[in-house]
Amino acid sequence: AQKVTQAQTEISVVEKEDVTLDCVYETRDTTYYLFWYKQPPSGELVFLIRRNSFDEQNEISGRYSWNFQKSTSSFNFTITASQVVDSAVYFCALRGGETSGSRLTFGEGTQLTVNP
Amino acid sequence: EPEVTQTPSHQVTQMGQEVILRCVPISNHLYFYWYRQILGQKVEFLVSFYNNEISEKSEIFDDQFSVERPDGSNFTLKIRSTKLEDSAMYFCASPPGGTPDTQYFGPGTRLTVL
Repeated sequence: AQKVTQAQTEISVVEKEDVTLDCVYETRDTTYYLFWYKQPPSGELVFLIRRNSFDEQNEISGRYSWNFQKSTSSFNFTITASQVVDSAVYFCALRGGETSGSRLTFGEGTQLTVNP
Repeated sequence: EPEVTQTPSHQVTQMGQEVILRCVPISNHLYFYWYRQILGQKVEFLVSFYNNEISEKSEIFDDQFSVERPDGSNFTLKIRSTKLEDSAMYFCASPPGGTPDTQYFGPGTRLTVL
């Protein structure tokens, strides 16, 4: 079975602070895919980033960066210089490979509030 | 531009009534998914659909639910006899192209069962 844990229920920061959202996952698959989605107050789910299990290179895309550590089963997401518009619920999700089909398993989400 | 659109955006129904939620991909998608999000909770997988048949379903997807792609374009989720606990946001997702790649979500349908 797959499982995604986001231990941080809520985070509150002041604009321009950096913020890291934690995600820990469990899977039996050797090949899998990790995602971050953003859900703003309007309710839609917006795809942010995807990482394949066979590529542990960490990257930066604009103000977003991620740290994928296979050894600790973690896939943390950082927003640099946060802005008020970043306020949303952020979901980490896992898609398995050979044994788990193509469904996404979501974490509970982290509510991020960026205050001016 | 979104890959997937959904109709209606909001549906209010009486308990016991049937509802049909629709998902329309913009391009030629082959994989489709329905997810549900009860207010304030996480997103839960319901069913996946490929090549005109169900490929996977969760324990939530019981006999009151069904999916089909009747005209080769729209992908529908039918709930036969709605219950109060079916009130939720229902999201359709579909990766572009023919592989189960990144799932892009539609804007969702908010279902309210009274």
